[in-house]
Parts: sequence; structure tokens; C-alpha cells
Amino acid sequence: EVQLVESGGGLVQPGGSLRLSCAASGFTFSSYEMNWVRQAPGKGLEWVSYISSSGNTIYYADSVKGRFTTSRDNAKNSLYLQMSSLRAEDTAVYYCARGGAVPATNWFDPWGQGTLVTVSS
Amino acid sequence: DIQMTQSPSSVSASVGDRVTITCRASQGIGTWLAWFQQKPGRAPKLLIYAASSLQSGVPSRFSGSGSGTDFTLTISSLQPEDFATYYCQQANTFPYTFGQGTKLEIK
Repeated sequence: EVQLVESGGGLVQPGGSLRLSCAASGFTFSSYEMNWVRQAPGKGLEWVSYISSSGNTIYYADSVKGRFTTSRDNAKNSLYLQMSSLRAEDTAVYYCARGGAVPATNWFDPWGQGTLVTVSS
Repeated sequence: DIQMTQSPSSVSASVGDRVTITCRASQGIGTWLAWFQQKPGRAPKLLIYAASSLQSGVPSRFSGSGSGTDFTLTISSLQPEDFATYYCQQANTFPYTFGQGTKLEIK
């Protein structure tokens, strides 16, 4: 069964840092593009970041560029989101979502269960 | 950035009804469009990709159409489990963007 499990969320003060992880299982992780998507409480979905299967290509939303860093460890079947200089508006449930195994087929399926990040003093 | 606009923002319907949700892109995206269903407290679920391709395991009452800037998601006969929020998303150009969502409620 394909499964994605996020961890690392929690309460952090404004200006602080947090590292999210996404553990993948049930598929050949190293072959797939991966994404981070977030959802603020009661709001819609916002794409955050993309990373290619090799990790060589990474894109970010303007709202997080320069503050967030996406990486992956294909040997550990894991995806990461290092978040720094956190702001109240970063408060959200963060999901990892699998993309495609073939370039240009980056459809988000499946998604993890999400991990809540709360930025507050 | 490409803006995605869904309509309506909410809709009330009854079991057995046919429902259509529209999504308009601010510029042409070919068929680089996906539809997701999200229930409260749950992760989104992919329903349709490439504008009209049904994701494996998704009931055939769901269908998608469109290309360029105008797209539709149709549920042919609403079932109780279909009451949820639906999002469109363009995958043509980074940054990927989502519509604001359409909440489908029971009448």
C-alpha cells in the first residue's frame, strides 16, 4: 500500500524554525517527484514546494521562498521541509503529496494525513 | 501566477442530483488540470487529472471536461458520500495554484 506519513509539526514562536518530515512506503520513492501543500485553518489549499525525483530541481511558492528549504533522502525514503523565519501566516496543516514517476505527470496522489504547524507566541 | 477561479463557491443539492462545478484559469493551461475532493479533517483526494482522466478507484459518476481556460467537474448522480469540498488545480506552470474551493452541501 502506498503511504505517506508526515511528522514534525507543532507550536513554534514567530521567527522560529521547524523541520517537517514525510516518510514514504509502498512505492519506489526515488522514482517520484514530491510536493508540499499547506492549508491554513478553515482556508483553501496552497502549493508550497516541488522537488524532482533526483532532488536536483526544486521550486517554491513566493510566500515561502528564501525561508523554506525542501530536500529528500532517497536512501531513507524521506522528504523534508525545513522552515525558518516562521510567521503567523505559516500556520497550517502541511501535507506531502506524491507526484509523478515520469516528468510532466506531477499529479498529486496520494497525500499524507498532514501535520499541523502553529506559529504563535 | 495563474489564477484559478471556481464557481459556485458553495452549492446545495440533493442525493441523486446532477451537479456541475466550473473552474476558470486566468490564462490557457491546455489540459493541465486536476480536481480534488476533500472531506472535513481529511487529506484531499485526487478525482480527475489531465482535465478528463478519471483516477483509478474513483466512481464513474465523476467526470471532467475542458481545455484552455474553462473546465468543469460533473457529478452525475450525487451520493451521500459526495458531500465535500472540491478544488481544481493547475499543473501547467509553477507556481501551481488551486481554486478557492466549492463546498457541496446537502439540501
